[in-house]
Amino acid sequence: QVQLQQWGAGLVKPSETLSLTCAVYGGSFSGYYWRWIRQPQGKGLEWIGEINHSGSTNYNPSLKSRLSISVDTSKNQFSLKLTSVTAADTAVYYCARGTGHSSRGTYYYYMDVWAKGTTVTVSS
Amino acid sequence: DIQMTQSPSTLSASVGDRVTITCRASQDIGSWLAWYQQKPGRAPNLLIYKASSLKSGVPSRFSGSGSGTEFTLTISSLQPDDFATYFCLQYYSYSPYTFGQGTKLDIK
Repeated sequence: QVQLQQWGAGLVKPSETLSLTCAVYGGSFSGYYWRWIRQPQGKGLEWIGEINHSGSTNYNPSLKSRLSISVDTSKNQFSLKLTSVTAADTAVYYCARGTGHSSRGTYYYYMDVWAKGTTVTVSS
Repeated sequence: DIQMTQSPSTLSASVGDRVTITCRASQDIGSWLAWYQQKPGRAPNLLIYKASSLKSGVPSRFSGSGSGTEFTLTISSLQPDDFATYFCLQYYSYSPYTFGQGTKLDIK
């Protein structure tokens, strides 16, 4: 059964870069989109972006200018970097697997497996 | 962006009650909607995908329906383990994928 394990710095200073990595265990790495989602304390969920095993990415337009998601297929890992962070980036960050199904040649991906999450606080 | 409007934001109910949560999309998203349950301090857990397909292992008291712009999640007979927050997700468009704001289901 596939499991996702994530890690990264829990405290980041304002204007610096937030970095997180997610490792995939027990399942195939190809054929899925690998996603990042965040949730400020007591608030709703925000999709950050995604990458597939080939390195194709999609980013939330609201974060695109500060965001980079990369993949290391040799390790079945993918990573998030968010630059120039502010207090508004404080949240629980989750990585998740996007599983697809097709309709008329187009694939649609929903998140079916999630990691436990990492709390990231932006503070000096 | 596709806006997902979820209602109600809070819902008080008793064990054994039938409850319904609604998500409305700002444009037609076909059947590309998923429902998640989240408990405090935990990651969301997938319940339903493609509007009405129940994830394997999820109790049959959970059901989903709808297409286009209006969708519902129904719990036919509430159990103590069901008191949690529920979110919908539209995955029709990745520009960007968007969630409903959540429905907190608590004990009356």
